[in-house]
Amino acid sequence: DTEVTQTPKHLVMGMTNKKSLKCEQHMGHRAMYWYKQKAKKPPELMFVYSYEKLSINESVPSRFSPECPNSSLLNLHLHALQPEDSALYLCASSQDSRQLNYGYTFGSGTRLTVV
Amino acid sequence: AQKVTQAQTEISVVEKEDVTLDCVYETRDTTYYLFWYKQPPSGELVFLIRRNSFDEQNEISGRYSWNFQKSTSSFNFTITASQVVDSAVYFCALSEVISSGSARQLTFGSGTQLTVLP
Repeated sequence: DTEVTQTPKHLVMGMTNKKSLKCEQHMGHRAMYWYKQKAKKPPELMFVYSYEKLSINESVPSRFSPECPNSSLLNLHLHALQPEDSALYLCASSQDSRQLNYGYTFGSGTRLTVV
Repeated sequence: AQKVTQAQTEISVVEKEDVTLDCVYETRDTTYYLFWYKQPPSGELVFLIRRNSFDEQNEISGRYSWNFQKSTSSFNFTITASQVVDSAVYFCALSEVISSGSARQLTFGSGTQLTVLP
């Protein structure tokens, strides 16, 4: 299995809703990442998990809450989002957060719309 | 600070033409890695190539080729005999150490939208 699977692929939520994005990989990678990508922009790093511990939080608002239940799963819990949070959310994994010899494997993303 | 510049925002070519996507980077690291990713309309970022800073040998993979020139800090990507399926956004990226030193991340260029017309 050489894939990163993200669910759901599309999500529409209201500003008062609570929802979660899920990401799963079975490649034995020990680093997992959340990126946010606005239209016509490059991906921007949000969070890095290394060996199931949060190692990087790029000053992301607290309405985004990451969780890494085990080495294969990564969640992003969403609460009280704003319309400007609408974007493509990409999950990625790599063998190790300190070594990028082989780059990241990205999921296909969740297209989030906040109404 | 590290930076990746893709000066070409959009390129349109007719099918079967060759096209080169430019990438210029800045880094103070002596060891670093450069990448190209393809992002079709479906959204997934597809890994195309990785190159480390010690390997300046050019690489060819089918219709794709890459020209890494450390002297000019460039890592350009050429598609030969382009096809409609090559239409996508292409990102050049540089690995960099996050300030705390606990991890590395990819710094992406702004991307080049390639449209191949039939």
